[in-house]
Amino acid sequence: AQKITQTQPGMFVQEKEAVTLDCTYDTSDQSYGLFWYKQPSSGEMIFLIYQGSYDEQNATEGRYSLNFQKARKSANLVISASQLGDSAMYFCAMREGGSAGGSNYKLTFGKGTLLTVNP
Amino acid sequence: GAVVSQHPSRVICKSGTSVKIECRSLDFQATTMFWYRQFPKQSLMLMATSNEGSKATYEQGVEKDKFLINHASLTLSTLTVTSAHPEDSSFYICSALIPPGAGIANEQFFGPGTRLTVL
Repeated sequence: AQKITQTQPGMFVQEKEAVTLDCTYDTSDQSYGLFWYKQPSSGEMIFLIYQGSYDEQNATEGRYSLNFQKARKSANLVISASQLGDSAMYFCAMREGGSAGGSNYKLTFGKGTLLTVNP
Repeated sequence: GAVVSQHPSRVICKSGTSVKIECRSLDFQATTMFWYRQFPKQSLMLMATSNEGSKATYEQGVEKDKFLINHASLTLSTLTVTSAHPEDSSFYICSALIPPGAGIANEQFFGPGTRLTVL
């Protein structure tokens, strides 16, 4: 079974509107971390947001928020007020094991979602 | 934020030659670095974990004799693609692990990637 599933190969959104990118994960660990990265056409991986499995509140970073539903094992990324520069590939990733120890810190990535922001 | 560099950014070589890619953490010491491979329009696949002063740990299916990894210092890991063939053409990305316990959300800082084309 895939550990990270991103079911949307591509998404379109109008400039200034909000968009949700889906991510579900599969792990038997109690402690884990979930990450979202943006990859523009240049190829660099840009860290957006992090959610720890024990974090009770959803993570937020500026226009990015993570809708964390632990029971459903989902960690959707919400981008508010989309901008043309948001057009890129977006990857969800998971680190199994705790950040305080007991982890090899490997990241498993989903297949990604290509977001296109239309003017 | 922490900076990770990769060199070269782009390389074209003839089939049968070897290519070395460098990954440097510029402003922090990284005992652990990771090497990923990304084919066009696909996700990042972890190739190996590079640990300073010890042998790299390779993921299943990755040929360790073909992809030589050396992590000789706390700021430098190198990936050498030996006897490269056209099927090795890909985007290679490294990342450096922030020392555990640093207390920041972004645990791995990624290099900008190296695009390898084997003719």
